[in-house]
Amino acid sequence: DSGVTQTPKHLITATGQRVTLRCSPRSGDLSVYWYQQSLDQGLQFLIQYYNGEERAKGNILERFSAQQFPDLHSELNLSSLELGDSALYFCASSEQGWTNTEAFFGQGTRLTVV
Amino acid sequence: DQQVKQNSPSLSVQEGRISILNCDYTNSMFDYFLWYKKYPAEGPTFLISISSIKDKNEDGRFTVFLNKSAKHLSLHIVPSQPGDSAVYFCAASAIGNQFYFGTGTSLTVIP
Repeated sequence: DSGVTQTPKHLITATGQRVTLRCSPRSGDLSVYWYQQSLDQGLQFLIQYYNGEERAKGNILERFSAQQFPDLHSELNLSSLELGDSALYFCASSEQGWTNTEAFFGQGTRLTVV
Repeated sequence: DQQVKQNSPSLSVQEGRISILNCDYTNSMFDYFLWYKKYPAEGPTFLISISSIKDKNEDGRFTVFLNKSAKHLSLHIVPSQPGDSAVYFCAASAIGNQFYFGTGTSLTVIP
């Protein structure tokens, strides 16, 4: 158990809809990262938050947004969903944004858009 | 632009032999490198890391080598065991920044 909790584990929704994925980082971790893994693809970095503020942005679509709350949990919002958004979405957390430490991953949310 | 590349999508090794997984990167600012292992239906789990001030780090059966001039790192697993069968991702970061991941190498250890 990595200590990172993602909910829900599975989500099936229709095209055009909006969903929210939730992540609770490990206790004490200030950085949260969101990654997307499509079929046969590597982990594509979407966005990073550090202590409530956006730190880095990757290949995140404009239809997607995220935030990190004062209690450090994070939510990834996906709107106007398309079939191609079907993927595994992982959240990871690490202690700091400043020092090099490993990031710990949750089990992921599998999103299926039909 | 893929800053971290794993050019071998798959690798098969006999049990007891050495597994060598390779990774190349393009960004010279990267100073911290990690390997993750991923089983199906699970999140990636941290395996081993190396800082750019070192060229080797060892943890049990796992050793990571870093060649900064070639921008290349490798993971050696000796001896390989069937339970090592998984997808292995290498990742790299610069201090305070995101982790960039490769596309993964699927390792199969044959009993």
